[in-house]
Amino acid sequence: DVKVTQSSRYLVKRTGEKVFLECVQDMDHENMFWYRQDPGLGLRLIYFSYDVKMKEKGDIPEGYSVSREKKERFSLILESASTNQTSMYLCASSLSGRVTEAFFGQGTRLTVV
Amino acid sequence: DAKTTQPPSMDCAEGRAANLPCNHSTISGNEYVYWYRQIHSQGPQYIIHGLKNNETNEMASLIITEDRKSSTLILPHATLRDTAVYYCIVRVASGSARQLTFGSGTQLTVLP
Repeated sequence: DVKVTQSSRYLVKRTGEKVFLECVQDMDHENMFWYRQDPGLGLRLIYFSYDVKMKEKGDIPEGYSVSREKKERFSLILESASTNQTSMYLCASSLSGRVTEAFFGQGTRLTVV
Repeated sequence: DAKTTQPPSMDCAEGRAANLPCNHSTISGNEYVYWYRQIHSQGPQYIIHGLKNNETNEMASLIITEDRKSSTLILPHATLRDTAVYYCIVRVASGSARQLTFGSGTQLTVLP
C-alpha cells in the first residue's frame, strides 16, 4: 500500500512562530504536493515538487515555503504563522505524469492562536 | 478542465449498492474521469479513473456513458465505513498539479 505520512495530526502554534510540517512517502513517487483545505474553499494547492530540490508555486504560496532535500520527504514551512493560516494541511504524492492519481496523507489540522 | 455536477447528498442502506452519479457534459476527448473520496477528518483517497471504458477495481466500479457526458461510481456492497464525501474530477491525465480542484462532491451516508 502507498503510504503518505504527515508528522502530526493536530498542531497548535502561536502567531509569529515558524512552523514545520513534514511529509514522507514510501513509494518512490517523483511528485509531491502540499494543499490546504478550508470549508467552502475546497482544496487549494500551495506548492508542489516534481523532483528532489525542485519546487513550483501553486495557487496560494504566499506565507509558505517548502523544502525537498530527499525524494521521499517534502516539508512545508510557515515562516511566521498567522491566524489566517489555521487550516487542514494535506500532503500528497504521485508518480511522474500521473498527477491526478495522487495519494494523500491523513492531514494536519493546524490552529494558529 | 471540464466542470462536473454531482448531487450534494445521497443515502444508501448498508449492504446495498451505492450509485453515485456525475455529469460532465463538456468533457473533452483527452480528459479522464477520476473519483476520490474523503472520509471525515482524513485526506482524500483516490478510488478509480477511466477514459471511456468501464473500469473496476477492488474498491469500486466506474461506468461511463457512451457519449462520455456522465458517469456513475458504484460501490457494490456499501458499508458504514464508506460514508464520505465523493468527488468526481475530470481532467487530462498529465495535467499540471495546479487546479486539481475537488468541488463540493456528494456526501454519501450509509445507513445501518
